Amino acid sequence: GAVVSQHPSRVICKSGTSVKIECRSLDFQATTMFWYRQFPKKSLMLMATSNEGSKATYEQGVEKDKFLINHASLTLSTLTVTSAHPEDSSFYICSARLPSGNGELFFGEGSRLTVL
Amino acid sequence: EDQVTQSPEALRLQEGESSSLNCSYTVSGLRGLFWYRQDPGKGPEFLFTLYSAGEEKEKERLKATLTKKESFLHITAPKPEDSATYLCAVIGGSYIPTFGRGTSLIVHP
Repeated sequence: GAVVSQHPSRVICKSGTSVKIECRSLDFQATTMFWYRQFPKKSLMLMATSNEGSKATYEQGVEKDKFLINHASLTLSTLTVTSAHPEDSSFYICSARLPSGNGELFFGEGSRLTVL
Repeated sequence: EDQVTQSPEALRLQEGESSSLNCSYTVSGLRGLFWYRQDPGKGPEFLFTLYSAGEEKEKERLKATLTKKESFLHITAPKPEDSATYLCAVIGGSYIPTFGRGTSLIVHP
């Protein structure tokens, strides 16, 4: 299957700092990537859809100025949590859609963010 | 609006005790129904894609089936290593995936 790499897997930061999470499709080109947030024992909450070369589309209630998404190439999307606060602590997961067929999603391993 | 409902929320089985997980959906123009397995602290792992009613796919002890309203994930003679959360998702005309809340499966030895 297709491989999506997400980095870092764990990050701890101080309140007020910014954190960048990278999502790479290793063996295919992904024009579309999705960023999710997952709370403990809850399902995936879609934050935004990232399209290569254009602005991301954010879901209702997601602050675009806090969660900056950049999809600069066909294999890389980044999520930057700006001025992080403890309530931003969560598990963030990216997925990339195969360009062929009906667009199966392949997920990264997730990034655990802890804001102190 | 696309909707996905998974049941049961949690399922405990004894090793070897076969069972099924349900995924009911409503979607405008189904393009695909997907099953994923998620282990704690990990991203979801792709299992199956089903495209049309009547389709079935198998992988080891897992078999996924699809009708026009629901999908089942059958687990035959499960082992403790099958313990995980199983997620169902649909993609319709919007191409935006909609996920269910998942079924947490625990298989006791």
